[in-house]
Amino acid sequence: DGGITQSPKYLFRKEGQNVTLSCEQNLNHDAMYWYRQDPGQGLRLIYYSQIVNDFQKGDIAEGYSVSREKKESFPLTVTSAQKNPTAFYLCASSGGTAVWETQYFGPGTRLLVL
Amino acid sequence: AQKITQTQPGMFVQEKEAVTLDCTYDTSDPSYGLFWYKQPSSGEMIFLIYQGSYDQQNATEGRYSLNFQKARKSANLVISASQLGDSAMYFCAMREGYALNFGKGTSLLVTP
Repeated sequence: DGGITQSPKYLFRKEGQNVTLSCEQNLNHDAMYWYRQDPGQGLRLIYYSQIVNDFQKGDIAEGYSVSREKKESFPLTVTSAQKNPTAFYLCASSGGTAVWETQYFGPGTRLLVL
Repeated sequence: AQKITQTQPGMFVQEKEAVTLDCTYDTSDPSYGLFWYKQPSSGEMIFLIYQGSYDQQNATEGRYSLNFQKARKSANLVISASQLGDSAMYFCAMREGYALNFGKGTSLLVTP
């Protein structure tokens, strides 16, 4: 079955630690995205990538980094510079970036700070 | 400025009844897409329905339909014959460019 997988489901971060969230898709989609969701809020864009080896900052990129070395994979690193990382992180993909392209989401990763 | 507004934080509906979830949007771009997603307690965002700004007819997908009023900039979701499994958060989103702009969501509770 085609879809998007995210791991881990839960992640705990200690002070000063970098952590990496995994996102893999087998939908053969060119575009991939990372969103952050805080309680009672909608999603906010962290980073997106339209094609391999290219990515762009979204609205809240500070304290985060990404890479896109393979079409299927778009990992997100939450760095120690992100002072309030506790949130639900959702990865998405779409065939392209046109306005009619539907974004499909993975199951999400909950990040908690110890 | 908020691009997507969902004014109903919470809604109740009885099983088998229809319910309308409101969404208004703000854009000056003539080309845009409107999407509705369902988020159950598990957290995954499930795509429900899409409406393009140039579409002449309202979109429908099974029990979901979108009441698109372009002049009013509204894109309300109508769920017919509600089921207990429809209890979830519902998000309206608009795409003008590369990313989706989401509203804050409406929590729907379907009661027996």
